[in-house]
Amino acid sequence: GENVEQHPSTLSVQEGDSAVIKCTYSDSASNYFPWYKQELGKGPQLIIDIRSNVGEKKDQRIAVTLNKTAKHFSLHITETQPEDSAVYFCAAKGNYQLIWGAGTKLIIKP
Amino acid sequence: KAGVTQTPRYLIKTRGQQVTLSCSPISGHRSVSWYQQTPGQGLQFLFEYFSETQRNKGNFPGRFSGRQFSNSRSEMNVSTLELGDSALYLCASSLASRGRRDTGELFFGEGSRLTVL
Repeated sequence: GENVEQHPSTLSVQEGDSAVIKCTYSDSASNYFPWYKQELGKGPQLIIDIRSNVGEKKDQRIAVTLNKTAKHFSLHITETQPEDSAVYFCAAKGNYQLIWGAGTKLIIKP
Repeated sequence: KAGVTQTPRYLIKTRGQQVTLSCSPISGHRSVSWYQQTPGQGLQFLFEYFSETQRNKGNFPGRFSGRQFSNSRSEMNVSTLELGDSALYLCASSLASRGRRDTGELFFGEGSRLTVL
């Protein structure tokens, strides 16, 4: 069946540095790719998404890139801050439901 | 406007018991999805309800069931609880409209944490 692989499972970066999380999907019909951030004790929250007719999308310090040929998409966070510490989930949606990655725990070191 | 509300937030049950969890979606949202979250397993999709009908179902045993009421509120039930059912159960609502204002975004509640002893 369809699946989404997400790497790394844990990422530790120095405050101020950049962080990159990568996802690979299997369903070629996927056309919607959201990223969710889950802070401790809360439910996931959408932070950015991209559709298959776009290669890159930016929103302040975060950006997402999509390579449909290679079937992978990435989340880029620049100038990381302590409040970026959370678990990040990627997902891909084709004709049916969202397929989720396993999550990446991002740790921002002071 | 109020977010997604899940009750109860925490509960403890013993093996063999059953549990019912409740979810009130954002006003106007017609779709409710349920997820199980365990450490190391990410978000596992349980089912989605739209207009009181189950629209999608994940790969969970029949002990897991749900329903949606006419006001879009949803409940999920787990019968004959097992130790492995201990998890955070998340509910998410979405507009699920064909209109341009539906971005497909899921709005999650804070979850119901179930511990099975």
